Amino acid sequence: NAGVTQTPKFRVLKTGQSMTLLCAQDMNHEYMYWYRQDPGMGLRLIHYSVGEGTTAKGEVPDGYNVSRLKKQNFLLGLESAAPSQTSVYFCASRSGGSGNTIYFGEGSWLTVV
Amino acid sequence: AQSVTQLGSHVSVSEGALVLLRCNYSSSVPPYLFWYVQYPNQGLQLLLKYTSAATLVKGINGFEAEFKKSETSFHLTKPSAHMSDAAEYFCAVTLNTGGFKTIFGAGTRLFVKA
Repeated sequence: NAGVTQTPKFRVLKTGQSMTLLCAQDMNHEYMYWYRQDPGMGLRLIHYSVGEGTTAKGEVPDGYNVSRLKKQNFLLGLESAAPSQTSVYFCASRSGGSGNTIYFGEGSWLTVV
Repeated sequence: AQSVTQLGSHVSVSEGALVLLRCNYSSSVPPYLFWYVQYPNQGLQLLLKYTSAATLVKGINGFEAEFKKSETSFHLTKPSAHMSDAAEYFCAVTLNTGGFKTIFGAGTRLFVKA
């Protein structure tokens, strides 16, 4: 079972470059999320989506954009990468209901030099 | 606002010893609480969750957690640590609002000594 798949897994960018992280889930989940993980700060929510065609800002949205054109895909874009965006990015998905489990991808390691 | 606080960024135990990882939550309504584990270079996976059915929740790999409303706590325990338990553990709460956003604690890294 694939679950949540993220690509690419590793990427090095130069400051000012742009890139897109792709997340795909095969569980027919309505809700999808992008988090970033930094040492000592846990996971912080960047953007999320409550269904196809919808997006919303999370805790740390600045410098990122997202799109959810298809239910199974959630894209995270960096228009002009900055060193502060060096982080590990995790995509996650879930079905509705507060008690439901959130499922994570394996992460994407991004370094901005 | 709902949040979780994990006490101790690092915990070290000997193999076979009790594991206790602390989590306190703040919530104005009954929360849905979770513990997730992250092994090196992997995503997070669910250990256990509290959804108001029972205050003592048993999870995978011998872990359990007890929901104590009077103490606003949801501490994670395991009677006997194994080397394979070395990982980072995250306590989390899901907001019962649009988007069902999950808020994570800062994490506690567990070290297990032989």
